[in-house]
Amino acid sequence: DTAVSQTPKYLVTQMGNDKSIKCEQNLGHDTMYWYKQDSKKFLKIMFSYNNKELIINETVPNRFSPKSPDKAHLNLHINSLELGDSAVYFCASSQEGWGTSGGVYQFFGPGTRLTVL
Amino acid sequence: SQKIEQNSEALNIQEGKTATLTCNYTNYSPAYLQWYRQDPGRGPVFLLLIRENEKEKRKERLKVTFDTTLKQSLFHITASQPADSATYLCALPGYSSASKIIFGSGTRLSIRP
Repeated sequence: DTAVSQTPKYLVTQMGNDKSIKCEQNLGHDTMYWYKQDSKKFLKIMFSYNNKELIINETVPNRFSPKSPDKAHLNLHINSLELGDSAVYFCASSQEGWGTSGGVYQFFGPGTRLTVL
Repeated sequence: SQKIEQNSEALNIQEGKTATLTCNYTNYSPAYLQWYRQDPGRGPVFLLLIRENEKEKRKERLKVTFDTTLKQSLFHITASQPADSATYLCALPGYSSASKIIFGSGTRLSIRP
């Protein structure tokens, strides 16, 4: 009954490889996010999708490409992995995601620890 | 650009005491502020949301205050327990987009028995 799930939990790969992380939410939320948490534990937003439409695209190298096949899934594909990509990547979802001041809070997945060697 | 600062990187408290964590922000006036808890190896978990017109909010042993004049929120855990040990993150909606939540760097709280 996991609300937001991610696979894999750990990912160890060589520099230059291409890898994907998958995320699924069963909460019926309209908005999904990808965050990166670096070694200093700073959590930074990368992308957000609302009903399969990209609404937030932060300054992220274009080697990172999110894909949302439906509103319950948001995958992250990373090309040509670099050492600096090593971090924990979190997927999250929220009920109201666009143009609201009512208060958006997020449900996070367990994270994917990516290590690039 | 907007900034969020959580004053202490780490806080050590004796069990039973009240833990107080601080979150300061600059450069704009958010409609609300949130607090999350993160345990090692896990994703953040939402705890409380307080709106700009609310001075204080409580949930069990947790209390959050929001001072829009000082641009500060205080997060209190009363009768602290070792199980409260975790990193606590303050978060605000983005200035340009309410969907974009900006997180502070967190305060690591340790409650010793």
